[in-house]
Amino acid sequence: GQSLEQPSEVTAVEGAIVQINCTYQTSGFYGLSWYQQHDGGAPTFLSYNGLDGLEETGRFSSFLSRSDSYGYLLLQELQMKDSASYFCAVSGQAGTALIFGKGTTLSVSS
Amino acid sequence: DSGVTQTPKHLITATGQRVTLRCSPRSGDLSVYWYQQSLDQGLQFLIHYYNGEERAKGNILERFSAQQFPDLHSELNLSSLELGDSALYFCASSATSGSFYEQYFGPGTRLTVT
Repeated sequence: GQSLEQPSEVTAVEGAIVQINCTYQTSGFYGLSWYQQHDGGAPTFLSYNGLDGLEETGRFSSFLSRSDSYGYLLLQELQMKDSASYFCAVSGQAGTALIFGKGTTLSVSS
Repeated sequence: DSGVTQTPKHLITATGQRVTLRCSPRSGDLSVYWYQQSLDQGLQFLIHYYNGEERAKGNILERFSAQQFPDLHSELNLSSLELGDSALYFCASSATSGSFYEQYFGPGTRLTVT
């Protein structure tokens, strides 16, 4: 089966940097995805790491270490609008579906 | 706007009833996924269809079924509803089954079973 662990809550102030960690156990691993979900909204895709290393997309970066079954999402220059839930996700059976972690609620204050 | 549409937005029904949720994927996307999101269980994968064929099943109850039609829209049928089925149901799509990691989610259908 698959399991993912990520912190349930993280708090930070505007302008700060925050890192959300994700550890996983899965068979048939294809890569690690990150999604953002605002309250009452739908999850939106942020990034994907299929290979080890860092992927950067604007203020957000994501990292993967396959050997450690570990990844993280790094959010820089935090803004109030970044307050949301962040989910890591790995592929499920046959690499055709996503299994999501329970999510990390990020609260950004001024 | 992700380009994925879901209807209805809200649904209130009684225990024992049957409902159908509908999803239209983004134009050109062949894969459709269904998820259930509740406070205690998080975002749970239910089922995946690719170009009309079932590709993968997650924690989908036997009371639930889905299909994808030739025009690629999909329906999720929930029957013999129980209070515990109350949740937000999302549909997502991706271009191919190979791009499963980048899914585009619809706005969801909030189901309340009373």
